[in-house]
Amino acid sequence: NAGVMQNPRHLVRRRGQEARLRCSPMKGHSHVYWYRQLPEEGLKFMVYLQKENIIDESGMPKERFSAEFPKEGPSILRIQQVVRGDSAAYFCASSPNPPASKETQYFGPGTRLLVL
Amino acid sequence: QKEVEQNSGPLSVPEGAIASLNCTYSDRGSQSFFWYRQYSGKSPELIMSIYSNGDKEDGRFTAQLNKASQYVSLLIRDSQPSDSATYLCAVGTSGAGSYQLTFGKGTKLSVIP
Repeated sequence: NAGVMQNPRHLVRRRGQEARLRCSPMKGHSHVYWYRQLPEEGLKFMVYLQKENIIDESGMPKERFSAEFPKEGPSILRIQQVVRGDSAAYFCASSPNPPASKETQYFGPGTRLLVL
Repeated sequence: QKEVEQNSGPLSVPEGAIASLNCTYSDRGSQSFFWYRQYSGKSPELIMSIYSNGDKEDGRFTAQLNKASQYVSLLIRDSQPSDSATYLCAVGTSGAGSYQLTFGKGTKLSVIP
């Protein structure tokens, strides 16, 4: 049973370019969460998605960042016009059930984004 | 603003000793509590989950929850060098159809052989 998959594992972009990060949840999981971890910082919630729906994007920066989870294919976190401050590890997590108070999230290996 | 506080460490313990990691949280409505272990450059790995007041034991790990004090702890018995990692406390809160985990910054544990 494959775990949460993310690609690419490492991504280098120059300032102003676009970054696309992909996440495939665990088999049977239909809920995806994206987190960002800056160096020496904890993980910060960005967005929670179900298939074809953004449930909660309260942690997402208002500009340049967007996320989707289409009916077919992986979830995508898109960062337009990247800046050096976007350099971080981006983790995706998935869970199987509708939101509940006892939901466990399983994390993917992360994408390390470096903006030059 | 939900907050989760942990001592950043580093916490150093000798091999075989008990390591005690602590966490406090600000949102009284939080319902689920997790400890994740994160090795340098790796992703968080779930160690323990706890939902009710009291203790929960799993092998060498014991999680303790006190909702009145808004306090969660993790004890690691017979600490091993392989336990050296950063331990992240995470608190889950649901509401308005959403669910979020709020993480602390983590406590770095070093087990000295």
